[in-house]
Amino acid sequence: AQTVTQSQPEMSVQEAETVTLSCTYDTSESNYYLFWYKQPPSRQMILVIRQEAYKQQNATENRFSVNFQKAAKSFSLKISDSQLGDTAMYFCAFMKPGSNYQLIWGAGTKLIIKP
Amino acid sequence: DVKVTQSSRYLVKRTGEKVFLECVQDMDHENMFWYRQDPGLGLRLIYFSYDVKMKEKGDIPEGYSVSREKKERFSLILESASTNQTSMYLCASHSPGTVTYEQYFGPGTRLTVT
Repeated sequence: AQTVTQSQPEMSVQEAETVTLSCTYDTSESNYYLFWYKQPPSRQMILVIRQEAYKQQNATENRFSVNFQKAAKSFSLKISDSQLGDTAMYFCAFMKPGSNYQLIWGAGTKLIIKP
Repeated sequence: DVKVTQSSRYLVKRTGEKVFLECVQDMDHENMFWYRQDPGLGLRLIYFSYDVKMKEKGDIPEGYSVSREKKERFSLILESASTNQTSMYLCASHSPGTVTYEQYFGPGTRLTVT
């Protein structure tokens, strides 16, 4: 069975710093999708970034980028020039094609950006 | 923009009560999900529906049932609420036709069972 592990329950950094959130996963599949979702305090969960396992190039969305290491089964999220609005719970998730689009979720990392 | 709404943000119920949590999406999505979110456990799938009247059990279906009579509405039912069902409940929707596989979430219902 697939599992997703986020080893950092909580992190805090100063505004404008760069922060990296870790995620590792376990699967025997070769084709799958990985996601980072963000849940701001008292607000809805939203997709931050996604990565297809068959793509070697790391996904990037503005200040958010991933470091996808397929052999190591690692999928970390880097937030550059962090902003107060980045304060949120961040969840890493795994999806196997053909699984009815069901996601396996990590436990989450609470990220606090300090002014 | 996709909008997913949930009937209540906060709910307090007594042990043994029947509880209905409702979710409505406005983007004609085929797939809808009910998750339970607990600290340190992430999100766990309770039930999934891929069409009207169609449902599949997720990882933790015990003590829950669902109903999907219309495409836009997916209800979660706690037949007899228990204190261990105190949690945050999140609804999400998704369209298989999208290339991003993105799930769209509602604001959540924080349920307390006393």
